[in-house]
Amino acid sequence: NAGVMQNPRHLVRRRGQEARLRCSPMKGHSHVYWYRQLPEEGLKFMVYLQKENIIDESGMPKERFSAEFPKEGPSILRIQQVVRGDSAAYFCASSLDRGDNQPQHFGDGTRLSIL
Amino acid sequence: DQQVKQNSPSLSVQEGRISILNCDYTNSMFDYFLWYKKYPAEGPTFLISISSIKDKNEDGRFTVFLNKSAKHLSLHIVPSQPGDSAVYFCAAPWNPGTASKLTFGTGTRLQVTL
Repeated sequence: NAGVMQNPRHLVRRRGQEARLRCSPMKGHSHVYWYRQLPEEGLKFMVYLQKENIIDESGMPKERFSAEFPKEGPSILRIQQVVRGDSAAYFCASSLDRGDNQPQHFGDGTRLSIL
Repeated sequence: DQQVKQNSPSLSVQEGRISILNCDYTNSMFDYFLWYKKYPAEGPTFLISISSIKDKNEDGRFTVFLNKSAKHLSLHIVPSQPGDSAVYFCAAPWNPGTASKLTFGTGTRLQVTL
């Protein structure tokens, strides 16, 4: 019963390094979403992708953050030149493409810590 | 602008009693709502949803009520069990009826005591 798979579960980076977070959606799901949860806060939307396309990136910071969902392989959230404020839990979710209301199913997240 | 609000950050309920978690929204375009449960160090787990064509949806011990005129929904858990202790989030899709981003409330931490 493969749910949404995220790796790594924990990632430690020094300031200025790059962080790459990976997400494999549930089987049959073609929509992928990334959310960020800062300490003591709720989940905030970052970006929504379908295969090879970014559909909505209204929640992405304008600089240093990028996301892709290639034809083959997992979705990648990339953070360049990380800063302390990037420390958070990053969650990926996926959903079916059925043209109606479908729940999003979440992975267990990547906890990013910046030293 | 917090368009989905959970005004109670925490709630403590005795085992066997009813837990009622509340959620308010401000965007009248929202017409589909979801509740998620989250344990520490895990991702949110989908619990139950409701569409605006209904005012109630039930699944086992979980019931969600929707009051559109008041822009209010609530999740009832009865009877509450210790394993229900978690953070509960309500959420709404930005564009209902299609795949779109979710707007989340800030969560309510439920503690079910023995």
